[in-house]
Amino acid sequence: GAVVSQHPSRVICKSGTSVKIECRSLDFQATTMFWYRQFPKQSLMLMATSNEGSKATYEQGVEKDKFLINHASLTLSTLTVTSAHPEDSSFYICSARDWRGGREQFFGPGTRLTVL
Amino acid sequence: ELKVEQNPLFLSMQEGKNYTIYCNYSTTSDRLYWYRQDPGKSLESLFVLLSNGAVKQEGRLMASLDTKARLSTLHITAAVHDLSATYFCAVGSASGGGADGLTFGKGTHLIIQP
Repeated sequence: GAVVSQHPSRVICKSGTSVKIECRSLDFQATTMFWYRQFPKQSLMLMATSNEGSKATYEQGVEKDKFLINHASLTLSTLTVTSAHPEDSSFYICSARDWRGGREQFFGPGTRLTVL
Repeated sequence: ELKVEQNPLFLSMQEGKNYTIYCNYSTTSDRLYWYRQDPGKSLESLFVLLSNGAVKQEGRLMASLDTKARLSTLHITAAVHDLSATYFCAVGSASGGGADGLTFGKGTHLIIQP
């Protein structure tokens, strides 16, 4: 149980295009999902907290107009990187918390974004 | 601002040896996590520590939490090559009703040589 999927697993795009990444909780419902970014050989940094049915909460320094987050259902959150640039190339990982409570976050397999 | 410091950041050790990774955090927290990450992969949950004095063990790994010292340790016993990976500790904020995301340490890159 407690499986989180991400799609796509890998994406290569041209500079200036937008890319959408999906995060799904497969066997549980998640009122809260989180988006992290990991640059090569670095740690994970929290980008934003995605709340079902409400606006996402962004961490300081993360541009909300560039990283659009939508959490339209209890099993799906999407992250759209708008007008992507090479510096946005990174490993994007989502996590989800079961709506029934508990402290654990379940992480997705990650999406590797390369912007040319 | 919550800060999480791990040390060492890089560790090369021989099989069969014991070693400890340390994780210090700067403010009160009600939960601490240890994760493993293999190259190119996402995180694998190892331990969730929720209370002072908590100790959990899984195979050759044992994690403990001292909330008064704001310190957690991940101890490796009789290391084997398969444990080579990057290990992260992560701390949740004590505020926000548990809805906050996690703050990660920089990670410990562990290489275990035969």
